[in-house]
Amino acid sequence: GENVGLHLPTLSVQEGDNSIINCAYSNSASDYFIWYKQESGKGPQFIIDIRSNMDKRQGQRVTVLLNKTVKHLSLQIAATQPGDSAVYFCAETLDNNNDMRFGAGTRLTVKP
Amino acid sequence: NAGVMQNPRHLVRRRGQEARLRCSPMKGHSHVYWYRQLPEEGLKFMVYLQKENIIDESGMPKERFSAEFPKEGPSILRIQQVVRGDSAAYFCASSPPGRFNEKLFFGSGTQLSVL
Repeated sequence: GENVGLHLPTLSVQEGDNSIINCAYSNSASDYFIWYKQESGKGPQFIIDIRSNMDKRQGQRVTVLLNKTVKHLSLQIAATQPGDSAVYFCAETLDNNNDMRFGAGTRLTVKP
Repeated sequence: NAGVMQNPRHLVRRRGQEARLRCSPMKGHSHVYWYRQLPEEGLKFMVYLQKENIIDESGMPKERFSAEFPKEGPSILRIQQVVRGDSAAYFCASSPPGRFNEKLFFGSGTQLSVL
C-alpha cells in the first residue's frame, strides 16, 4: 500500500546546529504536504506546508524542500534550539481526499 | 481565539464500558477531523465531519465506533463496549471553511486507557 515513511526515527543534534529531517512518500499523486511538530502530551502543531507545484518554501528558521522526482520531503531547522525538541511528522494528502496520511515521525533531541 | 478544545484529557474505562470524547473546534471552523495515535506512531485518520454531516468515515472501525457533529455543541467520538486495543490518544482537528484539509489545528488530545 501507499504510505508515508521516514528515513530516521531519531535525530540528535547540538544546540545551534542545523537539523534536517527527512520523509519519503510513495503516492506520486499527493499534491499537498505538511510538517507538524508534536511535543510530549500535546497535539501536533502546524509548522510549514508546501504544494506539489513548488520545490522549496521557507518560514521562520524552517525550510521545506520537496523533490517530486524521488518523492522526498525534508524539513530543515536552522540554529536548532532546545525548544525544537519534539517529534516531527510529515503528512501528505490529495486536494480531493479527506485522508491526510501521517508518517511514523522522527524524534528530534537537541543537546545543550 | 481559543484553540481546539478536547475533553477529557484523560479517560479511563473498563472493558465493555462506553467512552465519549468531545471536541470543540476553533471558532469559525466548520470542519472537524478525528485521528487516533498509538505510542511512537503517527496519526491515523478516522473520520471527517461537517455540521450535522459525516463526510468521510473511511478510517473508522465498522463496529462500536461512531462520531457526530451536531448543529449545536461539540463533536463527539463515541466508542461502545471498549476493549484494551482501543487504548490510544485520540486527537481532534479543525479547519475553517474553504480550507478543506489544510493546516489542520489540533487539540491536545484525549488519552483513553482501557483497563
